[in-house]
Amino acid sequence: NAGVTQTPKFQVLKTGQSMTLQCAQDMNHEYMSWYRQDPGMGLRLIHYSVGAGITDQGEVPNGYNVSRSTTEDFPLRLLSAAPSQTSVYFCASSTGGHYGYTFGSGTRLTVV
Amino acid sequence: GDSVTQMEGPVTLSEEAFLTINCTYTATGYPSLFWYVQYPGEGLQLLLKATKADDKGSNKGFEATYRKETTSFHLEKGSVQVSDSAVYFCALSERGATNKLIFGTGTLLAVQP
Repeated sequence: NAGVTQTPKFQVLKTGQSMTLQCAQDMNHEYMSWYRQDPGMGLRLIHYSVGAGITDQGEVPNGYNVSRSTTEDFPLRLLSAAPSQTSVYFCASSTGGHYGYTFGSGTRLTVV
Repeated sequence: GDSVTQMEGPVTLSEEAFLTINCTYTATGYPSLFWYVQYPGEGLQLLLKATKADDKGSNKGFEATYRKETTSFHLEKGSVQVSDSAVYFCALSERGATNKLIFGTGTLLAVQP
């Protein structure tokens, strides 16, 4: 099994550009989440989904959109990139309950 | 809302020293508790977990006990190795429909030979 796959691994954007970070899992997990990791701030939840067609905002949703049309995919869209969105982004999935989440390897995004 | 507080680092130890990383939580219900580890340049890996009070999670020589009375889940290891150098994150998972995973800020552990 591939687990959680994130693409791309690295990306440089100019301020105002848009892009989509891809996330796919092959474990048939219902729960999926996006986090951003910044120095000294741990991982902060951006958006999450409890199943196909259902998404909700996390702690830091502004500037990001998500959709969940299938169980496998959970893309994160940056509508108009800003330097404050420079970060490492992690996607994660879970079967729920006490099983914990499986994480992807991350996307390092720089906005100049 | 629910939150996790863990000790700030960096924690610098010599090889074979005893490790404790403190973690406390605030939750309205009865969450599951986790420790994740992030090695340099990598994603997060689940290290251990506990799902109810007095449960002890263990893996690779690391242990943590779910203490409901003190709302704590401290990570311990009796003898650390250089290969344990990493960032350690304490996290809780809310029970119920959302299953959100909430993290502490992470603790950098550096083990010197």
